[in-house]
Amino acid sequence: AQSVAQPEDQVNVAEGNPLTVKCTYSVSGNPYLFWYVQYPNRGLQFLLKYITGDNLVKGSYGFEAEFNKSQTSFHLKKPSALVSDSALYFCAVRDKSSGSARQLTFGSGTQLTVLP
Amino acid sequence: NAGVTQTPKFQVLKTGQSMTLQCAQDMNHEYMSWYRQDPGMGLRLIHYSVGAGITDQGEVPNGYNVSRSTTEDFPLRLLSAAPSQTSVYFCASSYSDSSGANVLTFGAGSRLTVL
Repeated sequence: AQSVAQPEDQVNVAEGNPLTVKCTYSVSGNPYLFWYVQYPNRGLQFLLKYITGDNLVKGSYGFEAEFNKSQTSFHLKKPSALVSDSALYFCAVRDKSSGSARQLTFGSGTQLTVLP
Repeated sequence: NAGVTQTPKFQVLKTGQSMTLQCAQDMNHEYMSWYRQDPGMGLRLIHYSVGAGITDQGEVPNGYNVSRSTTEDFPLRLLSAAPSQTSVYFCASSYSDSSGANVLTFGAGSRLTVL
């Protein structure tokens, strides 16, 4: 089985400060990991993914995520937050050994609010 | 390039009524899926398809039917609507690239209320 946990329902950060949105995962094999963002009344948009190799993954809009195998985490980060980053963020996982037909499992989401 | 198109955007049903949520993609993606989004629960997979004529159940399939007669279309049918099916529904599509890590493209969503 595969699962994802996002321990924080809400994260508030001041504009210009660094932000972190936390994600931990559980798979029986090795993971593919993803971050998606949802703006109000919109569908989810892809931000970045981890496949293999370098533990630091860079994505869209200045976001990056750090894969930590020992802690089974994949935290989303940005060095300097913008008000426009305010949105709902979802972490997702798929076990590599499950085959490409297996769909993603999503976390419950973290609402990020960047305060001006 | 329209991507993934969902209709309708909003729908109100009475308990026991049936309806179909439409989903179409124009990217020739082989994989399509339906999720429901409920507060505090993230997205949960209802049904998915790996190609025309092939469908399978996800995490929460009860009360829903799907079919995939063409690559482009993947409608979701509610057989007899219940208040527990009040939710926002998202259709997504993807293709299998060389990495194996399929990236989903989502529709804008369909908000369903069952009274």
